[in-house]
Amino acid sequence: GQNIDQPTEMTATEGAIVQINCTYQTSGFNGLFWYQQHAGEAPTFLSYNVLDGLEEKGRFSSFLSRSKGYSYLLLKELQMKDSASYLCAASGGYQKVTFGIGTKLQVIP
Amino acid sequence: DTGVSQNPRHKITKRGQNVTFRCDPISEHNRLYWYRQTLGQGPEFLTYFQNEAQLEKSRLLSDRFSAERPKGSFSTLEIQRTEQGDSAMYLCASSLEAGPRGEQFFGPGTRLTVL
Repeated sequence: GQNIDQPTEMTATEGAIVQINCTYQTSGFNGLFWYQQHAGEAPTFLSYNVLDGLEEKGRFSSFLSRSKGYSYLLLKELQMKDSASYLCAASGGYQKVTFGIGTKLQVIP
Repeated sequence: DTGVSQNPRHKITKRGQNVTFRCDPISEHNRLYWYRQTLGQGPEFLTYFQNEAQLEKSRLLSDRFSAERPKGSFSTLEIQRTEQGDSAMYLCASSLEAGPRGEQFFGPGTRLTVL
């Protein structure tokens, strides 16, 4: 089976940096996704890590440690529009993806 | 627009009725997934198709649920004898079999309300 843990809520200030952590336990692990989901909308892809290390994409970076079953999403220069839920998801066999409950991020002025 | 589309976007039904949802994936995508999402939760995997073959089905999917992808293109998800607990957002996603990252593209979802 697969188990994903991430904080349920976080608050950060506009312009700041926030790190959202995720731990996972899974069989047949292929890689780790991060998705962003605004309220009432479908998830949108942010990143996918297969190898250990940090991948940077603009203001967003994602890190993976396969040996530790750990990932984080780093958001820099926070903007109000970044207020959303951030879903950590592990890809296993047949590319079946198991999602965490999501971390609801609130960006405040 | 060539993204994933789902119909209807909203469905209100009475308990005990049958409902059917449709998903049209991105045209070149071989893999199609159905998820269910309730408020405050992440999407829960329901089932997965590669072309027309249904390769995996979650234990969450009771025998009241059935999904098909007859020609390997669009898919339907049917719920028979709906219950109030079936109220949720039903999300469809698709991906390329040989996609560089296996990224799943999600449709807008169908919100089901069972009265």
